[in-house]
Amino acid sequence: NAGVTQTPKFRILKIGQSMTLQCTQDMNHNYMYWYRQDPGMGLKLIYYSVGAGITDKGEVPNGYNVSRSTTEDFPLRLELAAPSQTSVYFCASSYPGEEQFFGPGTRLTVL
Amino acid sequence: AQKITQTQPGMFVQEKEAVTLDCTYDTSDQSYGLFWYKQPSSGEMIFLIYQGSYDEQNATEGRYSLNFQKARKSANLVISASQLGDSAMYFCAMREARSGRRALTFGSGTRLQVQP
Repeated sequence: NAGVTQTPKFRILKIGQSMTLQCTQDMNHNYMYWYRQDPGMGLKLIYYSVGAGITDKGEVPNGYNVSRSTTEDFPLRLELAAPSQTSVYFCASSYPGEEQFFGPGTRLTVL
Repeated sequence: AQKITQTQPGMFVQEKEAVTLDCTYDTSDQSYGLFWYKQPSSGEMIFLIYQGSYDEQNATEGRYSLNFQKARKSANLVISASQLGDSAMYFCAMREARSGRRALTFGSGTRLQVQP
């Protein structure tokens, strides 16, 4: 099992550009999450999904969108990138009530 | 108000000694879970240990144990016999059962440095 995979590992964007962060899990987990981690801080929830076709906002959803068409994939879309979105982005997945497994993260810089 | 508080931004410990990393939490739920994750300098998040609010025994996983004091709303991580590889950021997190999203709320972390 590869677990949770994320691409790309690093990305530099210019202000106003858009991009999609990819996340795939092969553990058949219902729940998937996107978090962001700003320097020196803990993780904050952006969006989550409890199953294919079902998504909802977390604490910091502004400037992002998600979709969940399959159990395995949960891409995060950034529209009109801003410097405030410079962060490390983590995707995670879990069964209900169990620990979350995290991907390796995507380090995004917006200049 | 912060739901997870880690008051130690940084800690030092000598190799082979034990160290306690503090975590207090705030919730009105009766059912919740407490987690500790390790984040080494490489950046990945590694699950260490879990304690459920109804668990009567403190959780243990190898050299890690969780000192759970429900009345004081604390869930401190104890690492015994510290190793150089334990140097990392450590995050305490909570999952509240009434939140259907089952997401984690994280503290700000404690950076542990193990000295030879």
